[in-house]
Amino acid sequence: GAGVSQSPSNKVTEKGKDVELRCDPISGHTALYWYRQSLGQGLEFLIYFQGNSAPDKSGLPSDRFSAERTGGSVSTLTIQRTQQEDSAVYLCASSLDRLAKNIQYFGAGTRLSVL
Amino acid sequence: AQSVTQPDIHITVSEGASLELRCNYSYGATPYLFWYVQSPGQGLQLLLKYFSGDTLVQGIKGFEAEFKRSQSSFNLRKPSVHWSDAAEYFCAISGGSNYKLTFGKGTLLTVNP
Repeated sequence: GAGVSQSPSNKVTEKGKDVELRCDPISGHTALYWYRQSLGQGLEFLIYFQGNSAPDKSGLPSDRFSAERTGGSVSTLTIQRTQQEDSAVYLCASSLDRLAKNIQYFGAGTRLSVL
Repeated sequence: AQSVTQPDIHITVSEGASLELRCNYSYGATPYLFWYVQSPGQGLQLLLKYFSGDTLVQGIKGFEAEFKRSQSSFNLRKPSVHWSDAAEYFCAISGGSNYKLTFGKGTLLTVNP
């Protein structure tokens, strides 16, 4: 597709369950980012991928959060043992490479609700 | 640490009126500056960006922004607002080797008919 695609668009889960969020970046973009948008904290950086490696995981809030990227393309963000405070919109972005001048293009996000 | 402040959480304007959304930043040098817009249920769309050069930059949808180094500001303007401009607007910075975007908390724009 032409843009960044995220699925599912909405996810409702019960506290304690694991969830997987998927991001399909723009073709040819080597850099991929995950951000979290929550009412209290605004938009926060979570993790950055260059190719399949994640040199910067500094924004992951706890070890319940992990992410991987395969084939230099699709990325999955996994949240284990979800908590109510994990409820947020998770946004994925991609750019040509990691240079700060490269525009980050965002997907529509996955809205996660933890009951 | 770098930071972005958007002092106005919510602004209401009438259709056809002019608009200015404020953004102030804290950064060790001149950052790269961005304005993004988010409509309900949508991702972030880039309106405009500033890297260097002319401090008045033009963007999409009739928006412009002016970088003022002395005030550490990058305010977004539009001379005549349309109802379709109702959305949330985010100012963001990055720069140098720092590829991460740091966002302000956003300004929600309501447009009255």
